[in-house]
Amino acid sequence: GAVVSQHPSWVICKSGTSVKIECRSLDFQATTMFWYRQFPKQSLMLMATSNEGSKATYEQGVEKDKFLINHASLTLSTLTVTSAHPEDSSFYICSAKGSVFNQPQHFGDGTRLSIL
Amino acid sequence: EDQVTQSPEALRLQEGESSSLNCSYTVSGLRGLFWYRQDPGKGPEFLFTLYSAGEEKEKERLKATLTKKESFLHITAPKPEDSATYLCAVQATTTDSWGKLQFGAGTQVVVTP
Repeated sequence: GAVVSQHPSWVICKSGTSVKIECRSLDFQATTMFWYRQFPKQSLMLMATSNEGSKATYEQGVEKDKFLINHASLTLSTLTVTSAHPEDSSFYICSAKGSVFNQPQHFGDGTRLSIL
Repeated sequence: EDQVTQSPEALRLQEGESSSLNCSYTVSGLRGLFWYRQDPGKGPEFLFTLYSAGEEKEKERLKATLTKKESFLHITAPKPEDSATYLCAVQATTTDSWGKLQFGAGTQVVVTP
């Protein structure tokens, strides 16, 4: 149980384009989803928290207009990197959890984004 | 400010050589401590949640323990497939209501045959 699917797993695109990443909870209702960024050999850096039907809460220093998050249903959240540039290249990982406060987060397998 | 520190940064073990990883934390109130395993190029895989001092959880060759200041992840008779980065994360009582986690930097474990 508690499977989270993230798609695509790898994307390469040109500078200036927008990229959408999907995160789905396959076998549970995800009241809350989280989006992280991870640089090589570093730990996870939380970008934003999204709750179904509400606006996402962004961490300090994360541009909300650059990283658009939508959590339209209890099983799907999307992250859109708008007008992507090479410095946005990174490993993006989503996680999802149910409504009980101290339940664990369950993670997707991440998306490797490379901007040329 | 809440802090999570993991040690060592890296650990190289021979197959069968047991060892322990440390996660020390400073939070105003602990709601839960979580252990994850992360393989290269993958998302973290949930291992354990510990909620109160004295609690222990086991899964195969892994055992997690918790005190008021730190948690240990014991690896007993490791096998090469236990090679991974092990991440510790805490959820504080002062965090928002959505269950945000603060992660440590991780311990990279390599088990050689």
